[in-house]
Amino acid sequence: KAGVTQTPRYLIKTRGQQVTLSCSPISGHRSVSWYQQTPGQGLQFLFEYFSETQRNKGNFPGRFSGRQFSNSRSEMNVSTLELGDSALYLCASGDYAADTQYFGPGTRLTVL
Amino acid sequence: QKEVEQNSGPLSVPEGAIASLNCTYSDRVSQSFFWYRQYSGKSPELIMSIYSNGDKEDGRFTAQLNKASQYVSLLIRDSQPSDSATYLCAGTGANNLFFGTGTRLTVIP
Repeated sequence: KAGVTQTPRYLIKTRGQQVTLSCSPISGHRSVSWYQQTPGQGLQFLFEYFSETQRNKGNFPGRFSGRQFSNSRSEMNVSTLELGDSALYLCASGDYAADTQYFGPGTRLTVL
Repeated sequence: QKEVEQNSGPLSVPEGAIASLNCTYSDRVSQSFFWYRQYSGKSPELIMSIYSNGDKEDGRFTAQLNKASQYVSLLIRDSQPSDSATYLCAGTGANNLFFGTGTRLTVIP
């Protein structure tokens, strides 16, 4: 089976812009979770989608949003970018959230 | 208390030694436990999962789970320089997966 894929791999944006990241889970997986990873904060949970429904949400502002499509592909959107949003954004898929998660390669976002 | 806590390290061991990584968890985490390895600049990679009390061995890796004391550990025998990475402990609870902040391991040749 193909692994989790994320696009784009790298992004450079300026403050105030918005960005959309995409994630395609492993075939058959219905749960997609998103994480933000920074050197200072480690891996922080953003949200989890299962069968197009957001089931869990981390402690992030409303500028961070996501959605999941019927084919389980997921997107996350960050509006009004801030310098502190610079991070590695990781997507992980699994049969369901509370089980083994397989990570994609991540999208490295730099906000200037 | 955070759901999953790890000693941030860093931990350094000589090549061939046993590396011991530890993790404690809160009452919110009670079901399955995982160890992920993350090389610098890469995404986390699952190396071990453990669901019940006791030891689980896979090659040079042994995961240990003690639910009464709420800790889970990872032992790496015959450590190799290629084991140098950050190790993340994770546990499930309330339909969620909680991660620790990771322990950086360096194996010195």
